[in-house]
Amino acid sequence: ETGVTQTPRHLVMGMTNKKSLKCEQHLGHNAMYWYKQSAKKPLELMFVYSLEERVENNSVPSRFSPECPNSSHLFLHLHTLQPEDSALYLCASSQIGGWEQYFGPGTRLTVT
Amino acid sequence: AQTVTQSQPEMSVQEAETVTLSCTYDTSESDYYLFWYKQPPSRQMILVIRQEAYKQQNATENRFSVNFQKAAKSFSLKISDSQLGDAAMYFCAYRSPENTDKLIFGTGTRLQVFP
Repeated sequence: ETGVTQTPRHLVMGMTNKKSLKCEQHLGHNAMYWYKQSAKKPLELMFVYSLEERVENNSVPSRFSPECPNSSHLFLHLHTLQPEDSALYLCASSQIGGWEQYFGPGTRLTVT
Repeated sequence: AQTVTQSQPEMSVQEAETVTLSCTYDTSESDYYLFWYKQPPSRQMILVIRQEAYKQQNATENRFSVNFQKAAKSFSLKISDSQLGDAAMYFCAYRSPENTDKLIFGTGTRLQVFP
């Protein structure tokens, strides 16, 4: 696998379920990001990890819980989500201070 | 706080023609970076072109070029000789030199290319 991969690509979950999204980057980067992409809204930055430490948390509800066990992997743990949390969740990585963020294909999440 | 506005939700262009996508932004900073990202259907978002605000010369990448008007806070993307593979969502993004981890995106413009 090359670049940034995300699994699963599609996820349907009930409001009482617990699930996790996984992101893996194969680029040797040291910063990773979670974004939420909803229709007709700008991409919203949710979390930033730099050198495996969380450096930004943009007032994201606690039902979203990130985890970065090492510089190549990033998780987003989900529990008791709401229907308005349905969206495309994008992972990205970069070198700290680098020009470009490299994005994964996203996980399409539907909360029923 | 900085904001990015893309006022064209959808645009269309004939193959081989030229199309311009608009982007305006608001900032009080004098130095910053601007980007255009492309998100093809069901595929990964990729960087198309970037512009450093301190550079007066407009960036160009093959068929893609920008018209950067700093005083007007405008950053439009011109696609020349449009191809079917150019069909995608295009996002304009802003980055402050004070916070290099944070990209501020617009709402995107969906570009359709007709044969």
